[in-house]
Amino acid sequence: EVQLVETGGGLIQPGGSLRLSCAASGFTVSSYYMSWVRQAPGKGLEWVSVTYSSGNTYYADSVKGRFTISRDNSKNTLYLQMISLRAEDTAVYYCARSPPYSYYFDYWGQGTLVTVSS
Amino acid sequence: QSALTQPASVSGSPGQSITISCTGTSSDVGGYNYVSWYQQHPGKAPKLMIYDVTNRPSGVSDRFSASKSGKTASLTISGLQAEDEAIYYCSSYTSSSAPGVFGGGTTLTVL
Repeated sequence: EVQLVETGGGLIQPGGSLRLSCAASGFTVSSYYMSWVRQAPGKGLEWVSVTYSSGNTYYADSVKGRFTISRDNSKNTLYLQMISLRAEDTAVYYCARSPPYSYYFDYWGQGTLVTVSS
Repeated sequence: QSALTQPASVSGSPGQSITISCTGTSSDVGGYNYVSWYQQHPGKAPKLMIYDVTNRPSGVSDRFSASKSGKTASLTISGLQAEDEAIYYCSSYTSSSAPGVFGGGTTLTVL
């Protein structure tokens, strides 16, 4: 059974850093496209970052230069390192899987809440 | 402002059909057959309902169907049921920015 479990969210002050983790089971993260998608409270979905099975990575303009997506294949885990956090980064962060060469998300985690506030 | 435009809300009575539109540009919806649709209930993660414009994943009811014409994609739900009440998002690959874009979401109310 495919499962994605995010951890690492919490309350952080503006300007701070946080690393989110997404532990995968039932499949190998290195063989799939893996993304982070966020949802601000009461708002819609925003695609934040993706890492392709080739290793290429892409970011939304809103997080470019501040967020870094990575994978640890030995732990079958996806990460999102976030620095210089802003109030507008406050959101539930989901990790999501896409089959190779596709642009849809077939499995999602339950999400982890990041709150940026002083 | 979302990259893809969806109506904020739609409603219908049980048993009826509704259609949700998703309008983009030639750089996303109009240029590629990579439109997907997601259903989200309150407090839950989104669920894939349609991928690659018209395809339904295993386990999704055949009451859900979708299509695309030009720069507008559409999701149709027939035989509305109470459990269909949720927010629906469209998404598309885009060549204008990475990694992709979502619509603003449409709240479906089953009257």
